[in-house]
Order: sequence, then structure tokens, then C-alpha cells
Amino acid sequence: QLQLQESGPGLVKPSETLSLTCTVSGVSISSTTYYWGWIRQPPGKGLEWIGSIYYSGSTHYNPSLKSRVTISIDTSKNQFSLILSSVTAADTAVYYCARGYCSSSSCLIFDYWGQGTLVTVSS
Amino acid sequence: SYVLTQPPSVSVAPGQTARITCGGNNIGSKSVHWYRQKPGQAPVLVVYDDSDRPSGIPERFSGSNSGNTATLTINRVEAGDEADYSCQVWDSSSDHPVVFGGGTKLTVL
Repeated sequence: QLQLQESGPGLVKPSETLSLTCTVSGVSISSTTYYWGWIRQPPGKGLEWIGSIYYSGSTHYNPSLKSRVTISIDTSKNQFSLILSSVTAADTAVYYCARGYCSSSSCLIFDYWGQGTLVTVSS
Repeated sequence: SYVLTQPPSVSVAPGQTARITCGGNNIGSKSVHWYRQKPGQAPVLVVYDDSDRPSGIPERFSGSNSGNTATLTINRVEAGDEADYSCQVWDSSSDHPVVFGGGTKLTVL
């Protein structure tokens, strides 16, 4: 059964770096069929795509976050990770990792999600 | 970047039909996906490519997309359908290829 699980600190100080890992089980992260993404949701607000990565290491980032975001993949551990630098209170959110796939007419359809992890930015 | 607009809330009585809209410039030319999110839970894909359903999603859920509006329709609404619903598109020509709508809270009266 496919599962995604986020892990990392729940509290980060302003100006510091947020680091999260998503551990995938039930499918190889090296599969050529899927993309792997990070999406966040500030409290009481909508979903915001952060970025996505393919098994080859190819990445796409939200332009509004691109200067602060790095997504990487570790196929040996079946994990992918998110680094967000210089965080502020505006980065406080539930962070989700998710699997994306392409249909005949679209890509990055997210069909499996982790449970999400709340990251609070506060001193 | 591309903007998707959803009404903040929709209310419907049990057994009736709920329609949740997602507006965007010429959205009919794109494929739209819909997610359901219950409080404290992760989103769940309920419709993809405008009108297709993943396995396990009831036939009561359907979608359409034309012009500047995509619509998620839920027939014979049940209390368990109460949730936030968000639309999403993939804009292959943009440097911001994944866009979500702001979400609509469906309340079952």
C-alpha cells in the first residue's frame, strides 16, 4: 500500500532554514511514471504548490518561492526532501508531500498525499 | 501566473445537488482536477481531467469544464460530503505550472 510520510522539525526560528523529508513506501521513487511534490497550506487558507521533482532530479518550483526553495531526491532511501531558507511567519503552514502523475492531457495530478506536518515559524 | 477563483462557501440540503465553480481565463482549454479536504486531513483527489473519477470515488461526483468556468457537481449530497473542495490546473506554458484555487467550503444544512 502506497504511503507518504513527512518528517522534520515542527518549530523553526525566523530567518532560519526549514527542512522536511518525505519517506515513500509501497512504490519506488525511481519510477519513471511519477513526480514528487511539496504543497503547503497556511492555517485557514488554501493550498499552495511549492515545487516538484522527477526521479532524474529535474525540478520545477513556484516562482514566488524559487529563490528560497530546494527540492532533492534520494532514490537509495526512497525519500525526497524540501529545504526552505530564510523563513518568516508567513511560512507557517501544514506541509504536505504528494505523488503526482501525468494523464493524457495533464501532469502533476496529485493522487496520493502524506498526512501533512505543521511547521510553525516563531522565535 | 494563472489565477483560479472559487466561491468561499456553498450550502446545500441533504439529498440535493451541490455545484462548486472554479473560474479562470479560458479554463476550458485546460484540464481541471478537484480535491476534497476534510478538517485535519490531507486532500483527496475526487475528479481529474475535468470529469474522470479515481477508483473509489462515488458516481455522485462529476465535473465539467467549458469557457471560463469549471464545475464540480455532487449529486444526492450526504452529510459526509461536507468538506473544503479545491480545484487545480496544470499550465504547461507557465513558469508556475501548478495552480490551486482558494477552496470552497461545502456545508450540508
